[in-house]
Amino acid sequence: EIVMTQSPATLSVSPGERATLSCRASQSLSTNLAWYQQKPGQAPRLLIYGASTRATGIPARFSGRGSGTEFTLTISSLQSEDFAVYYCQQYNNWPPRFTFGPGTKVDIK
Amino acid sequence: QLQLQESGPGLVKPSETLSLTCTVSGGSISSSSYYWGWIRQPPGKGLEWIGSIYYTGSTYYNPSLKSRVTISVDTSKNQFSLNLSSVTAADTAVYYCAEVAGSFAYWGQGTLVTVSS
Repeated sequence: EIVMTQSPATLSVSPGERATLSCRASQSLSTNLAWYQQKPGQAPRLLIYGASTRATGIPARFSGRGSGTEFTLTISSLQSEDFAVYYCQQYNNWPPRFTFGPGTKVDIK
Repeated sequence: QLQLQESGPGLVKPSETLSLTCTVSGGSISSSSYYWGWIRQPPGKGLEWIGSIYYTGSTYYNPSLKSRVTISVDTSKNQFSLNLSSVTAADTAVYYCAEVAGSFAYWGQGTLVTVSS
């Protein structure tokens, strides 16, 4: 099983600042990694797939980088609506064995 | 725009079977491009993939749940379903259905299922 870790667990950021979230996989994923945003009481929302491709309708301030086992999600200038929990998810296995990271909570500093 | 909606009981007794259905609208569940899946989230915790199904009926399950999970598809109703047997309090969670293309682009709103007597 591929184990996903995320750091930090909580990130305190002021509006307008940059936030950088990390995700690490226990084995190489190539670029088979996605990022999600989840707000309280809502379903997760796909932000990034293929490690760096923004999903439909996702603002350009969200960007993803990485390959192999190390990935980052950067929010270039945090807006009030960006305070949420962010999860990474791998989809490298065949047959499918999807796993999520434990999440990073981005809160207001 | 693809939409998914979960339905089923919100309360299940311990040792019984949890049964949920996901109805897909705005697209065909028989699309050859995608799988369909279930994900759950215990209160205050993270996301766990339960399993996925292709419209032909091919299924893939989380090894940790495989002995208790059955996912099926009904293409005539554009629905797929989840059965989770022998539930305990640890199965209390919000259950989501989603379209699967590696990543999960479309999600249902989720339904809370509580396991309690």
